[in-house]
Amino acid sequence: DAGITQSPRHKVTETGTPVTLRCHQTENHRYMYWYRQDPGHGLRLIHYSYGVKDTDKGEVSDGYSVSRSKTEDFLLTLESATSSQTSVYFCAISDPGLAASYNEQFFGPGTRLTVL
Amino acid sequence: GEDVEQSLFLSVREGDSSVINCTYTDSSSTYLYWYKQEPGAGLQLLTYIFSNMDMKQDQRLTVLLNKKDKHLSLRIADTQTGDSAIYFCAEIGGGYNKLIFGAGTRLAVHP
Repeated sequence: DAGITQSPRHKVTETGTPVTLRCHQTENHRYMYWYRQDPGHGLRLIHYSYGVKDTDKGEVSDGYSVSRSKTEDFLLTLESATSSQTSVYFCAISDPGLAASYNEQFFGPGTRLTVL
Repeated sequence: GEDVEQSLFLSVREGDSSVINCTYTDSSSTYLYWYKQEPGAGLQLLTYIFSNMDMKQDQRLTVLLNKKDKHLSLRIADTQTGDSAIYFCAEIGGGYNKLIFGAGTRLAVHP
């Protein structure tokens, strides 16, 4: 399995509080992604990174920010959490430069966030 | 926007074949993927097909690609209880290997 960890794995917080989720990889992959998973929607891309300090928005980026200060860590921040951000969050990594990678994305175990 | 569509549920008897269908939107997608998600876990790549192929077989899995209709299917032969999971179809959407996922098909296998 690809070395991807997410922390925390579970979090309950209150509306209006800031929350930061961390994704850590040991694979030295260039690209990292944050998705949210909601019933009936599959996975939707929040933000992604194509290198250190290089990030861009995905399809559901409102209310989220990200930072990537080093290759191995990609942080997702909810500046002021809302109940609509209750979801399961997945981090993923990929590196198209790898031989026979099929452009595969490898996923972390997920973080279940509940905003009350 | 782009939309990958899948039916949400499929129930099959153990030992039967399962067929999960997907329609995608971008005819220029180079790879199309099937990911599997077991309960409480992340997604794992199950199989993929390159866009210049019509079919790919890998043990109990058969992937069929109809580029004209933008239709992708996954057939699981001799379905087992361990195949119970959510299966996601995905295509590459834009640069940096961004993936666009379908909503997922929950496969339930019963005795």
